[in-house]
Amino acid sequence: ELKVEQNPLFLSMQEGKNYTIYCNYSTTSDRLYWYRQDPGKSLESLFVLLSNGAVKQEGRLMASLDTKARLSTLHITAAVHDLSATYFCAVVATSGTYKYIFGTGTRLKVLA
Amino acid sequence: DAGVTQSPTHLIKTRGQHVTLRCSPISGHKSVSWYQQVLGQGPQFIFQYYEKEERGRGNFPDRFSARQFPNYSSELNVNALLLGDSALYLCASSTGQVYGYTFGSGTRLTVV
Repeated sequence: ELKVEQNPLFLSMQEGKNYTIYCNYSTTSDRLYWYRQDPGKSLESLFVLLSNGAVKQEGRLMASLDTKARLSTLHITAAVHDLSATYFCAVVATSGTYKYIFGTGTRLKVLA
Repeated sequence: DAGVTQSPTHLIKTRGQHVTLRCSPISGHKSVSWYQQVLGQGPQFIFQYYEKEERGRGNFPDRFSARQFPNYSSELNVNALLLGDSALYLCASSTGQVYGYTFGSGTRLTVV
């Protein structure tokens, strides 16, 4: 059964600093998604990673996928307070389906 | 364009009651999925429907059922509610796997 783990679970960082969130998954998958969730809100799509070596960037966030290592990273550059949220990665459980297995989430707090 | 819309936004039910949650996907999206998110956890897959057919089912008891209508809207039904069913129920729609899901704002169900 596919398992998805994120670390760290909690991250408190100063504005202006860089950090990386890691997403490991246990079985082969060629699609990985990153979402952001603000407290009490729904999930906002950040990145869709569809192949080994895929790299996507949007503003201060950059995501990458290494399917051989079963690892995705979400890198935060020069963090700002507005990035405070919970970040989830999700992996497709079975090729050709829409069944996502979500990670445990990383709760990010950026301190001014 | 309207996003994924869910109704109601909040509701409170008593143990043993039945509940129906509704979802309207983005226009043109034929795939709808349902997820349960318990506070502090990542979303858990419940069902996926495509073209009115069930394409996937998560590890939820038979008290949970769903269907998709000809206009691609969907209902999630939960019978014999338990306290543990209290959660945020998210509906998501997609036009293709390369785009991933777009999530609705969710229905927060409280069972007392």
